[in-house]
Amino acid sequence: DAKTTQPPSMDCAEGRAANLPCNHSTISGNEYVYWYRQIHSQGPQYIIHGLKNNETNEMASLIITEDRKSSTLILPHATLRDTAVYYCIVSGPLAYGNKLVFGAGTILRVKS
Amino acid sequence: NAGVTQTPKFQVLKTGQSMTLQCAQDMNHEYMSWYRQDPGMGLRLIHYSVGAGITDQGEVPNGYNVSRSTTEDFPLRLLSAAPSQTSVYFCASSYLPQDGYEQYFGPGTRLTVT
Repeated sequence: DAKTTQPPSMDCAEGRAANLPCNHSTISGNEYVYWYRQIHSQGPQYIIHGLKNNETNEMASLIITEDRKSSTLILPHATLRDTAVYYCIVSGPLAYGNKLVFGAGTILRVKS
Repeated sequence: NAGVTQTPKFQVLKTGQSMTLQCAQDMNHEYMSWYRQDPGMGLRLIHYSVGAGITDQGEVPNGYNVSRSTTEDFPLRLLSAAPSQTSVYFCASSYLPQDGYEQYFGPGTRLTVT
């Protein structure tokens, strides 16, 4: 079973920041928080991951609370092409036999 | 790099037929995996491999076989297709670091079993 809880859906206005929350209250010390998205039945696309510190890349920012029990993915300037299902996943390193477990995700609808 | 490629893109099978879904990657990734995604649901792990000659079962392995004879290829075999195997199948690959990693997914194979 997925170790995360996400809202089923969210709306965002085009050009505004999209803030997607995720709860992972049972996260372990060596588990990372990953975000993937899936646009219209395409293969999932990696967005970002983090362990303790906040992370930023060209696509998004990941804010992890100090107790690591929740996180927020931020798309700074959402466009219509960001409409997708966003998956928040908690998992340890693959090298130690861990796996990605996908839940239902959050459907983000970006509207003009 | 082509990334992760999957063939075929679409396939229709009759109940009881067998077939192999192909997956290849050109990134020299040690780890490869197969997922299935049923309508309106998240992905579920079928089988995975941490290197050539090594495979293991995921969450929903029944009805599927895999082998990994090379680093590049990870085919998924359906021995006797059933309507319950109608789904979209995604192959993925990544390195095997001891910390966080990015997994690359293929475009998927859409399988219908009648």
